[in-house]
Amino acid sequence: DQQVKQNSPSLSVQEGRISILNCDYTNSMFDYFLWYKKYPAEGPTFLISISSIKDKNEDGRFTVFLNKSAKHLSLHIVPSQPGDSAVYFCAASATGGGNKLTFGTGTQLKVEL
Amino acid sequence: DTGVSQNPRHKITKRGQNVTFRCDPISEHNRLYWYRQTLGQGPEFLTYFQNEAQLEKSRLLSDRFSAERPKGSFSTLEIQRTEQGDSAMYLCASSRRGHINTGELFFGEGSRLTVL
Repeated sequence: DQQVKQNSPSLSVQEGRISILNCDYTNSMFDYFLWYKKYPAEGPTFLISISSIKDKNEDGRFTVFLNKSAKHLSLHIVPSQPGDSAVYFCAASATGGGNKLTFGTGTQLKVEL
Repeated sequence: DTGVSQNPRHKITKRGQNVTFRCDPISEHNRLYWYRQTLGQGPEFLTYFQNEAQLEKSRLLSDRFSAERPKGSFSTLEIQRTEQGDSAMYLCASSRRGHINTGELFFGEGSRLTVL
């Protein structure tokens, strides 16, 4: 039972263009959503998050959008840079869950020159 | 500022042997989590501690797995009678209870287990 889904295993974009990574969830109890970035042989590192009381959160080149009615969130990276090439995981948590995160399967982003 | 530290980074063992992984969290963090990640999948929750108390265990955690955090500082994850299906990256993470700013977990670099 995959409660957090990332349906695109991979995405390739050109440097300078926008990268859009998508994530869907099924559990209505989730009220906090995070994106993590992972390079090979390293642990995931936190990128950006959003609470369910918001529909947008921006941090520099990274923006996360949340559509609660559709149970969908997306991560926009503008402009994309070669150093952004990594696996991106969407994660969700529920209040009272001890900050326990449920992760999606990840999207491999490749930013080409 | 030291991050989450995990040892060993890579362990190769024969089926049926026992293995133990250690995690040292960020010092002021009172919550510690263990996750497992296999190829092509996201990290899967195994268990978490608040201080020394183990508050939740996933049904993924069979009886062969045991985790401890004896003094509320470092933690160990032991796998007894390893099976080839246990081959995975074991990730440790920590957080501070009440860290409401982002709710993020800070991950270590992981311990990769290969069972032959």
